[in-house]
Amino acid sequence: GNSVTQMEGPVTLSEEAFLTINCTYTATGYPSLFWYVQYPGEGLQLLLKATKADDKGSNKGFEATYRKETTSFHLEKGSVQVSDSAVYFCALPQGGSEKLVFGKGTKLTVNP
Amino acid sequence: KAGVTQTPRYLIKTRGQQVTLSCSPISGHRSVSWYQQTPGQGLQFLFEYFSETQRNKGNFPGRFSGRQFSNSRSEMNVSTLELGDSALYLCASSLLGRNTGELFFGEGSRLTVL
Repeated sequence: GNSVTQMEGPVTLSEEAFLTINCTYTATGYPSLFWYVQYPGEGLQLLLKATKADDKGSNKGFEATYRKETTSFHLEKGSVQVSDSAVYFCALPQGGSEKLVFGKGTKLTVNP
Repeated sequence: KAGVTQTPRYLIKTRGQQVTLSCSPISGHRSVSWYQQTPGQGLQFLFEYFSETQRNKGNFPGRFSGRQFSNSRSEMNVSTLELGDSALYLCASSLLGRNTGELFFGEGSRLTVL
């Protein structure tokens, strides 16, 4: 079945630093790819998505490009803020329903 | 528009007991999924319901069960609790359940088994 491998961290950065969180996937075909974010004490929120190869998803300054050649969907942000401190999950669908397969999550801490 | 509501938020049980968790999806959403989140295993899919029918089930023992009502509200039940069932249980809803991957999550029910 589909699977995703994600850089686990934790990652600690200073404010305004550049962020990259690596995500690679194994899948049948070319499924949509997702990044979800979980802020402390909350459920997950969809951060961004890409539905086909070479698509770039973006939201709140975060970007990720669907690379089928390298089967990757790395998350990037040019200048992180303290408010970006959270756990980030890469995900892709499995099967015909709303089942998602998630990476292990990467905890990001941004210090002022 | 109200989000996904899960109750209770926190609960403590002892081994051998059973527990029922409730989830109210966003109004109009027909698909409800459940996930278990633990530090060791991460997020694992439990099951998904659409229009009162279970469409998909994860690799969990039969002690884990669920159902969905005609108003799309869902419950999950864990019987004969084990220590390893301690986890955050997350419910997610989606509008049409068409494998869009766009799920709206609740804040979760944190279960501690002693």
